[in-house]
Amino acid sequence: DIQMTQSPSSLSISVGDRVTITCRASQGISNSLAWYQQKPGKAPKLLLYAASRLESGVPSRFSGSGSGTDYTLTISSLQPEDFATYYCQQYYSTPFTFGPGTKVDI
Amino acid sequence: EVQLLESGGGLVQPGGSLRLSCAVSGFTFSSYAMSWVRQAPGKGLEWVSAISGSGGSTYYADSVRGRFTISRDNSKNTLYLQMDTLRAEDTAVYYCAKGLRNTVTTYFDYWGQGTLVTVSS
Repeated sequence: DIQMTQSPSSLSISVGDRVTITCRASQGISNSLAWYQQKPGKAPKLLLYAASRLESGVPSRFSGSGSGTDYTLTISSLQPEDFATYYCQQYYSTPFTFGPGTKVDI
Repeated sequence: EVQLLESGGGLVQPGGSLRLSCAVSGFTFSSYAMSWVRQAPGKGLEWVSAISGSGGSTYYADSVRGRFTISRDNSKNTLYLQMDTLRAEDTAVYYCAKGLRNTVTTYFDYWGQGTLVTVSS
């Protein structure tokens, strides 16, 4: 199974700041990586797929990069509605696996 | 508009069974792989099971293999998860999630609102 790690596990940040979250796979996943945002009591929401492709309707302040085993989610200027938990997911092979999450709060 | 609506959750005793359903609309159900993903209280996301559009291929996490069965009825636009021999560690919100067309190895672009399963005596 492919293990996913994320760092940091949490961060306290201010509106307008730049946020970078890192996700690492235990083996190469050929950019088969998605990022999700989840707010308390809500279902996850897809932000990016194929490591860097923005899902329709997602603001352009979200971006993704990476290759091989290392990937990054960047929020260029954090907005109040961006306070949430962020998960990466590999879909290179089953079992699909998620990172443990990064909680972004004030 | 794509919609996924889970039902069937509730309180069940250890060793018991439960069947979850996910009724979908807004897309050609039979063309898309579907998955179940769960989230234990206060924990992260865990993929549980996936099924191809035709239903001919199924996949399971090791933690549920042999106890859970995923299926679908394309005539009813409904996805199912039969859960047997339930354990306390199966307690979670269960989400159904839509994959991509014609492939099981996919991210999930739409999710249901989730249904809570509580396994406790």
